Amino acid sequence: AQKITQTQPGMFVQEKEAVTLDCTYDTSDPSYGLFWYKQPSSGEMIFLIYQGSYDQQNATEGRYSLNFQKARKSANLVISASQLGDSAMYFCAMREGSADTGNQFYFGTGTSLTVIP
Amino acid sequence: DAGVIQSPRHEVTEMGQEVTLRCKPISGHNSLFWYRQTMMRGLELLIYFNNNVPIDDSGMPEDRFSAKMPNASFSTLKIQPSEPRDSAVYFCASSLRGNFYETQYFGPGTRLLVL
Repeated sequence: AQKITQTQPGMFVQEKEAVTLDCTYDTSDPSYGLFWYKQPSSGEMIFLIYQGSYDQQNATEGRYSLNFQKARKSANLVISASQLGDSAMYFCAMREGSADTGNQFYFGTGTSLTVIP
Repeated sequence: DAGVIQSPRHEVTEMGQEVTLRCKPISGHNSLFWYRQTMMRGLELLIYFNNNVPIDDSGMPEDRFSAKMPNASFSTLKIQPSEPRDSAVYFCASSLRGNFYETQYFGPGTRLLVL
């Protein structure tokens, strides 16, 4: 089974609007971390936001927030007030926390976001 | 602070040649990861090291690929002999294992083209 599933290959959003990028995960480990990365057309992978499995509140970083629904195993990224520079590929990732599982990250297939002026 | 450093940034070579990619992780990080990204296969984990020791190399495509980490501040990924299907962007990433908020930080990548 896929550890991380991103079901939206491509998304469009009007400039200044909010957009939600979906991510579901699969793990039986009670301790895990969830991450979002941005990859613009220039190619670099930029870390955006982190959510720990024990965190009580949703993570926020500026215009980025993570809508964490533990029971549904979802970790959606919300970008508020979209800007043209937000056009990029976005990857969701997970790290499981127990010593037996190693510390590799599992990445989704990505969602391509296009912001329309 | 310097991030993850990779060299070269671009490499064009001919089939059959040896290619060596280099990575310097963030100072103080104790885990290092090598990834390959292509349009067809997405982002693939090739191998990762903890405290300079290879932990999982199940993603290494075949014997033509090898990776080493002789010390905490340097790693290499070698392809010998290279083939056109090895053309991809190769990323190195590092993290601080043992930190509950362990986050991977990526280098800028090496764009490899094998003719």
